[in-house]
Amino acid sequence: QITLKESGPTLVKPTQTLTLTCDFSGFSLSSSGEGVGWIRQPPGKALEWLALIYWDDDRRYSPSLRSRLTVTKDTSKNQVVLTMTNMDPVDTATYYCAHSPYWHFDLWGRGTLVTVSS
Amino acid sequence: DIQMTQFPSTLSASVGDTITITCRASQSIGPWLAWYQQKPGKAPKLLIFKASNLEIGVPSRFSGSGSGTQFTLTISSLQPDDVATYYCQQYDSFSTFGGGTKVEIK
Repeated sequence: QITLKESGPTLVKPTQTLTLTCDFSGFSLSSSGEGVGWIRQPPGKALEWLALIYWDDDRRYSPSLRSRLTVTKDTSKNQVVLTMTNMDPVDTATYYCAHSPYWHFDLWGRGTLVTVSS
Repeated sequence: DIQMTQFPSTLSASVGDTITITCRASQSIGPWLAWYQQKPGKAPKLLIFKASNLEIGVPSRFSGSGSGTQFTLTISSLQPDDVATYYCQQYDSFSTFGGGTKVEIK
């Protein structure tokens, strides 16, 4: 059974760097074909894909946010970490991590709400 | 970037109706499209992948079709439990979600 859970700060100040952790179980990110993605959703708005990392350390980023995002994995801890620099109030959103067998997302975490405010 | 346009943005139908949601891509994406259902306060749930493949455990009243630039999600015999917002997602070139379709019961 695959499960994922996001964790990190609920409040960050403008210009700060956000670091979110996705703890997962039920699969290994060292196994061929496995991936984890990050998606966010501002309150009342649509989903926005942010980043993906695969078992072979292939990393993909949203072109519009590429300069601000870094995604890494720790296969020994079953964790994926997303960092986003220079946070702004428009980045206020629920951030989800999700299991990705091939660019679509078959199982999601419950999400974590991050508010950007001074 | 590939843009995904979903319509309608809101749909109201009666229990038992068949409804269709459309997603249009700004360029051809082949079959690389997924559909998700999101209920209020919950994470999205995968319904369909690769345009027409039903995810395990999803009721057969959900179906997907299309390729290239136009795709549809059909819900046959709408149930009260289907009240949700539905999103399409292209994954031919990076990934983009549509703007969502909110489905309500009349």
